[in-house]
Amino acid sequence: ETGVTQSPTHLIKTRGQQVTLRCSSQSGHNTVSWYQQALGQGPQFIFQYYREEENGRGNFPPRFSGLQFPNYSSELNVNALELDDSALYLCASRQGHTGELFFGEGSRLTVL
Amino acid sequence: AQSVTQLDSQVPVFEEAPVELRCNYSSSVSVYLFWYVQYPNQGLQLLLKYLSGSTLVESINGFEAEFNKSQTSFHLRKPSVHISDTAEYFCAVSRSNSNSGYALNFGKGTSLLVTP
Repeated sequence: ETGVTQSPTHLIKTRGQQVTLRCSSQSGHNTVSWYQQALGQGPQFIFQYYREEENGRGNFPPRFSGLQFPNYSSELNVNALELDDSALYLCASRQGHTGELFFGEGSRLTVL
Repeated sequence: AQSVTQLDSQVPVFEEAPVELRCNYSSSVSVYLFWYVQYPNQGLQLLLKYLSGSTLVESINGFEAEFNKSQTSFHLRKPSVHISDTAEYFCAVSRSNSNSGYALNFGKGTSLLVTP
């Protein structure tokens, strides 16, 4: 148990739809990151939020967006879904910039 | 940018045998290095990390890794594996001097399969 919870655990969407994934950080953690893990691949960094501001982004298009709320929970939104967006989406939280990252169990998205 | 190469996609090994999972990284700046483990249908768990100091780091369950700057490697080793060590192992690297926190760059993973 890492204290990071994600919802939903599984979901199926069709091309062109939009999806919102949610993450509840471990208590006291003010930094949250999102990663995409395609089947058989390592996780890839999408973006990071620190105190409600995005402060780092990987090589993902603008249709991937996020929010961090005052209670440090977070959302990942993906618009105009494509088949290649099918993946496990992992949320990770930590205190500050250099603490250990704690990962949730992920939300598995299938796009048909 | 930093990148990681995990040289073996799968490593089959018998129970109680030693194992080494190889990881090489590429970076033009100083780095932090990590090994994560992922069990089926679960998220990632930190196994061990190198931030600074001693180049040999150990985990509580018998794994160790050595940071070798000249060879840009961070290989993971265990002298005697258990069935329960069967999992996917990911090596990751990040910048060590980012003012905005660090993003992890992961390798593609090595599947460790331990059999009786």
